[in-house]
Amino acid sequence: SQTIHQWPATLVQPVGSPLSLECTVEGTSNPNLYWYRQAAGRGLQLLFYSVGIGQISSEVPQNLSASRPQDRQFILSSKKLLLSDSGFYLCAWSVRWGRGYQHFGDGTRLSIL
Amino acid sequence: EDKVVQSPLSLVVHEGDTVTLNCSYEVTNFRSLLWYKQEKKAPTFLFMLTSSGIEKKSGRLSSILDKKELSSILNITATQTGDSAIYLCAVDEETSGSRLTFGEGTQLTVNP
Repeated sequence: SQTIHQWPATLVQPVGSPLSLECTVEGTSNPNLYWYRQAAGRGLQLLFYSVGIGQISSEVPQNLSASRPQDRQFILSSKKLLLSDSGFYLCAWSVRWGRGYQHFGDGTRLSIL
Repeated sequence: EDKVVQSPLSLVVHEGDTVTLNCSYEVTNFRSLLWYKQEKKAPTFLFMLTSSGIEKKSGRLSSILDKKELSSILNITATQTGDSAIYLCAVDEETSGSRLTFGEGTQLTVNP
């Protein structure tokens, strides 16, 4: 069966520090991969999605970047965090073709001090 | 710009009540509408709707899509405290990336 792992679960970082959040998927090949951010108690904002290794689409201009170095690995990064980067970050995957729904990881709660 | 609007944004009910959550959408190339339930961490999938008028059911939850009105409802009957969660509506478009556009969610609180 397929599983998705995200880490860390929580992270407290100072303003101006770098960030690296990792997401890996097991049990499937060639997935579409997604990064979302969620403000407290609200909907999900799509940040990046990827349909293959090295292929990244950015949905909103921001202080963050994403990379996909391997088929089932998706990384969210920042060189210098801002206070506004605080939030709940969710990674998700879906099958490459067809009408598959997205499966979500457990998320990373990021607090910037 | 694509848009998904959910109402109400929050709702407080008592156990045993029936609730109806609403979702309306404006997207360019509609493919399907999805409902998710989010308790503390990962949103979990509830329903995917692609055709108008066909009700999907799972226990006390049901949902239906109206493509003419560009909307969907999620019904929960005989609510329980375990139904307390954020209910998210999302729309999938005809793009290669299966990009989902989410609404703001409805925060449902069921009191004993």
